[in-house]
Amino acid sequence: GDSVTQMEGPVTLSEEAFLTINCTYTATGYPSLFWYVQYPGEGLQLLLKATKADDKGSNKGFEATYRKETTSFHLEKGSVQVSDSAVYFCALLTQGGSEKLVFGKGTKLTVNP
Amino acid sequence: DVKVTQSSRYLVKRTGEKVFLECVQDMDHENMFWYRQDPGLGLRLIYFSYDVKMKEKGDIPEGYSVSREKKERFSLILESASTNQTSMYLCASSLIAGGETQYFGPGTRLLVL
Repeated sequence: GDSVTQMEGPVTLSEEAFLTINCTYTATGYPSLFWYVQYPGEGLQLLLKATKADDKGSNKGFEATYRKETTSFHLEKGSVQVSDSAVYFCALLTQGGSEKLVFGKGTKLTVNP
Repeated sequence: DVKVTQSSRYLVKRTGEKVFLECVQDMDHENMFWYRQDPGLGLRLIYFSYDVKMKEKGDIPEGYSVSREKKERFSLILESASTNQTSMYLCASSLIAGGETQYFGPGTRLLVL
């Protein structure tokens, strides 16, 4: 079945460091891909998404490009802030029949001042 | 803005009790979902619904049931709570199928003693 694999955390960075969180997927066809973020004590919020190959999703300085060749959707940010500390989830939307989100296990990011 | 609300942020119940978790969305979304979130396991889909009075099993439906009597409300029921159902429960909603974003509630942290 469809699945998502993302790098295990936790990840600890200093403020203004470069961030990459790797995400690869296995799926039939070309599913829509998502990054969700969960701040402490809150539910998940959509961070960005891409619906087809070579699309780039971006929001709040974060970017991810849908790479069909490598079945990847890595999350990047050039300069992280303390306020970016959260858990990040990569997800895909299954196709055909019942559309469901399949999530990776999450990566906890801590940014220190 | 889409708003998904959950009836409780924290809940403590005893083994064997019947537990109701309520979720309400205010954006006339057709789809609603219940997930549980556990450390190291990410989010796992329990049940979902594409329409009133309609439900489909997710990946881990055992020990749970759901009810959707009105479009805006989706209830998760633990018929006889057990300690292994201690978890964070997240509700989400989205428009009809087609790659649409899921919007999440703040979550209910359930402790079963």
